[in-house]
Amino acid sequence: QVQLEQSGSELKKPGASVRISCKPSGYSFSSYAINWVRQAPGQGLEWMGWIHTNTGNPSYAPGFTGRFVFSLDTSVGTTFLQISRLQEDDTAFYYCARESPSGDFDYWGQGTLVTVSS
Amino acid sequence: DIVLTQSPDFKSVTPKEKVTITCRASQSIGRSLAWYQQKPGQSPKVLIKYASQSLSGVPSRFSGSGSRTEFTLTINSLEAEDAAIYYCHQSSSFPYTFGQGTKLDIK
Repeated sequence: QVQLEQSGSELKKPGASVRISCKPSGYSFSSYAINWVRQAPGQGLEWMGWIHTNTGNPSYAPGFTGRFVFSLDTSVGTTFLQISRLQEDDTAFYYCARESPSGDFDYWGQGTLVTVSS
Repeated sequence: DIVLTQSPDFKSVTPKEKVTITCRASQSIGRSLAWYQQKPGQSPKVLIKYASQSLSGVPSRFSGSGSRTEFTLTINSLEAEDAAIYYCHQSSSFPYTFGQGTKLDIK
């Protein structure tokens, strides 16, 4: 069955960097784009962008340029989200989600909580 | 950016009641709209794609309708397990966007 397994929670200090992994299984890795979605505590869903797993080409939503980087390691079938120069308002759950051909996100990772605190 | 506005923000309902949630888009998105359900402590789960297409494994009491700028999610005969936050999401144009969410509370 299709699963997206994300790495565990992270506690970081302001100014540090973090890298979250998302490893899909149960389907051909390069067949579907992976999207990233942020959810701050008690808040709604915010689309961050996507990465095309066949080309490695990322696209970022406004507001997620500069400090946010999506990448792939095709040798291990894993996608990554790296956030640099962390700020306290980056504290959130970060989800990866597979985009189906119809544009909806049909499978989601379990979410990774990133807490930024001094 | 396309703004999706859901109404209501919050609704308290009783079991077996019929509930309708509306999602309005700031410009036409055709039928490129999906609905998600998110329960506390869980990842979102897709309920409806292409505005009205049901998905395997989703109870038949969930249905969607609409096109262009106005969409609805209907839950017939609400059950206690439907307590959750519901989001609409457009994939018509970059950047993708979500509605702000509608929280359903079951009395």
